[in-house]
Amino acid sequence: EAQVTQNPRYLITVTGKKLTVTCSQNMNHEYMSWYRQDPGLGLRQIYYSMNVEVTDKGDVPEGYKVSRKEKRNFPLILESPSPNQTSLYFCASSPVGETQYFGPGTRLLVL
Amino acid sequence: EDQVTQSPEALRLQEGESSSLNCSYTVSGLRGLFWYRQDPGKGPEFLFTLYSAGEEKEKERLKATLTKKESFLHITAPKPEDSATYLCAGYSGAGSYQLTFGKGTKLSVIP
Repeated sequence: EAQVTQNPRYLITVTGKKLTVTCSQNMNHEYMSWYRQDPGLGLRQIYYSMNVEVTDKGDVPEGYKVSRKEKRNFPLILESPSPNQTSLYFCASSPVGETQYFGPGTRLLVL
Repeated sequence: EDQVTQSPEALRLQEGESSSLNCSYTVSGLRGLFWYRQDPGKGPEFLFTLYSAGEEKEKERLKATLTKKESFLHITAPKPEDSATYLCAGYSGAGSYQLTFGKGTKLSVIP
């Protein structure tokens, strides 16, 4: 089954404790992206990747890191999480210029 | 700056009461307009892609149309299971393949 998977689905952590949210897709898509969704603000792009070893900032990259060492994986790293990073996070993938398919989401709470 | 504005923010319909959701955009050089459905706490689910003014696409009770300035999602004889938030997003294709999302219309269909 073609899908985008994210882990973990739910995460509670404390300020400053490094964490990684994984994203994997099995559709051989070149493009992958991370979004955060907050009430009243909609979906905002954090980082994206056009292919392996090619990443770039989206609209709200501060406090986040990404890497793209393999085509199928695009982890999101929060090196020192803060409470304002409490949010619902989505990973998406697509062929370049085509429909993006979203993962199920990761709900993060930073205390 | 690219912008996508959706209206209304929320819409309550009686079952069987047809209506339309609006998505107006100012995306320079629009290459694609996407409609997604999102259920609470879940990832956006792809509905339609529209590429050029005058294009229409249908799926069950939903029909999406595109003009040079806006897109409409028409819902004919809705059922309670159509209740969800509907998102639209524009893509300019200006190198980054960055989607600009609207904040969504929350649709409630009352039996």
